[in-house]
Amino acid sequence: AQTVTQSQPEMSVQEAETVTLSCTYDTSESDYYLFWYKQPPSRQMILVIRQEAYKQQNATENRFSVNFQKAAKSFSLKISDSQLGDAAMYFCAYRSPYTGANSKLTFGKGITLSVRP
Amino acid sequence: EAQVTQNPRYLITVTGKKLTVTCSQNMNHEYMSWYRQDPGLGLRQIYYSMNVEVTDKGDVPEGYKVSRKEKRNFPLILESPSPNQTSLYFCASSPRTGTSYEQYFGPGTRLTVT
Repeated sequence: AQTVTQSQPEMSVQEAETVTLSCTYDTSESDYYLFWYKQPPSRQMILVIRQEAYKQQNATENRFSVNFQKAAKSFSLKISDSQLGDAAMYFCAYRSPYTGANSKLTFGKGITLSVRP
Repeated sequence: EAQVTQNPRYLITVTGKKLTVTCSQNMNHEYMSWYRQDPGLGLRQIYYSMNVEVTDKGDVPEGYKVSRKEKRNFPLILESPSPNQTSLYFCASSPRTGTSYEQYFGPGTRLTVT
């Protein structure tokens, strides 16, 4: 079974600075999908970024980018130019690639990010 | 607007009183799933459905039931709720399995069982 580990329960960043949130995972599958979700105080789950394991290029979405290290099974999220609206809980998640199988997301425990003005 | 809706958003109930949390999606998605979120545990899957009349257990199914009679609806049933089912519940859907398509989440249902 796959597992996702987010070892830092909390982090803090100064507004306009850069912060990196860590995530590691364990799997025996060679192909898979990885996601970062943001959960603001409204509790809505919002997809931030996704990465296909077969792609070597790191995904980027505006101020959000990932550092995907497949051999190390590491998938960190970098937030550049942090804004007050980035304050939220962030979840790393894994999804299996197999059609016809349970397509569940396996989540880490989450990390609470605070942004200092 | 493409969305997943859940009702109710908040519910306080007593031990043993049967309840149903509804979930509906308007995107014609095949795959639907229920998760519960607890502090320090992240989200864990309760049940999932690959299509109409096709459901199966996730990681934490004890105490829950589901049904999928229509493609758009996937209700979560607690026949005899207990305090350990106090949690934040999310319904999610996606077009099909085995892809990088995102799962669309509902707004969540905060359940308290006393």
